[in-house]
Amino acid sequence: AQTVTQSQPEMSVQEAETVTLSCTYDTSENNYYLFWYKQPPSRQMILVIRQEAYKQQNATENRFSVNFQKAAKSFSLKISDSQLGDTAMYFCAFMSPSGGYQKVTFGTGTKLQVIP
Amino acid sequence: DAGITQSPRHKVTETGTPVTLRCHQTENHRYMYWYRQDPGHGLRLIHYSYGVKDTDKGEVSDGYSVSRSKTEDFLLTLESATSSQTSVYFCAISSGAGFQNPYEQYFGPGTRLTVT
Repeated sequence: AQTVTQSQPEMSVQEAETVTLSCTYDTSENNYYLFWYKQPPSRQMILVIRQEAYKQQNATENRFSVNFQKAAKSFSLKISDSQLGDTAMYFCAFMSPSGGYQKVTFGTGTKLQVIP
Repeated sequence: DAGITQSPRHKVTETGTPVTLRCHQTENHRYMYWYRQDPGHGLRLIHYSYGVKDTDKGEVSDGYSVSRSKTEDFLLTLESATSSQTSVYFCAISSGAGFQNPYEQYFGPGTRLTVT
């Protein structure tokens, strides 16, 4: 079974600064997808960024980028120029399409506070 | 935003009563999921469906059952609610292989269930 570990339960960052959230995973699969989801106080789960394991290039979405280290099974999220609206829980997630079932495993989350 | 609704959005019920939560989608996506979210645990998969009348258990399925008689609806039933089932419940959908962004999950707004 796959596992996803987020070792930082809480983090804080000053507005306009950069912060990195860590995520490691364990799998024997070679084909898989990784995601970061954001959950603001509104409780809505929002997809931030995704990475296909077969792609060597790190994914970027505006101020959000990832550092994907496949051999190390590491998938960290970097948020640049942090904004107050980035305050949220962030969940790392893993999905392998093998067997066609598309089950996703989530980490326990990192609570990020952006300080004005 | 993906067209996913959950009903009810909030519910308080007593121990031992049956409860049914409904997830409705307008995206015609093949895969549907039920998660529960609890502090310190992230999101844990309860049940999922890979087609009409095709369902399977997730990691925390005890005490829950599901049904999917139509593509657009996925019902989660607590046959006899217990206090340990107090949680926030999320429904999610994904499209599957052959579609744009096939493995991304889109979430409903969540249902807060309190069992007293």
